[in-house]
Amino acid sequence: NAGVTQTPKFQVLKTGQSMTLQCAQDMNHNSMYWYRQDPGMGLRLIYYSASEGTTDKGEVPNGYNVSRLNKREFSLRLESAAPSQTSVYFCASSEGPASGGTDTQYFGPGTRLTVL
Amino acid sequence: QKEVEQNSGPLSVPEGAIASLNCTYSDRGSQSFFWYRQYSGKSPELIMFIYSNGDKEDGRFTAQLNKASQYVSLLIRDSQPSDSATYLCAVRRGSTLGRLYFGRGTQLTVWP
Repeated sequence: NAGVTQTPKFQVLKTGQSMTLQCAQDMNHNSMYWYRQDPGMGLRLIYYSASEGTTDKGEVPNGYNVSRLNKREFSLRLESAAPSQTSVYFCASSEGPASGGTDTQYFGPGTRLTVL
Repeated sequence: QKEVEQNSGPLSVPEGAIASLNCTYSDRGSQSFFWYRQYSGKSPELIMFIYSNGDKEDGRFTAQLNKASQYVSLLIRDSQPSDSATYLCAVRRGSTLGRLYFGRGTQLTVWP
């Protein structure tokens, strides 16, 4: 049981390049999330998917797109990377609000992205 | 006003002392509250959650919630150097199912 996995762990891009960050969970969770974390800024939600087939914008969605490929996988795409997108990106998953439980979010190990 | 505010820190306490971490939130309709710990270079991990007013204890950790004052805190008793980390407060509002709003975190150092 790996929990939440993310690939790649590290990535360096040049301005204007595109890339997709991959996230997968094996906990049969309904909801998945993408956050970015910058020094002194805490975690900011980029996009989330409350359930398979749905996605919604979070606090900082500009410059990103997402795909909920299936229940397990939720990818984040940067179409034209900018230096302002240099950050650590975390994927998380949870059972979902309809589960009736605590809906705790579990985080992946993160992807450290640098845009030059 | 930011959704979730934490005392700015950094906080430094000696080993064996009580560390007190504080968090305030702006939405009176918030329903559940979480404390995450994040070691340097690692991902956040859940320490505790609390829903009801009052105290909730788990080992050396106690979460305290006061909804009237819109205030939640985390006390760490008998602090250990291994508790040195950044502590993130997160709040779930009633109107935004599933979403968490995070504070900026408080960095705690426990010195031997």
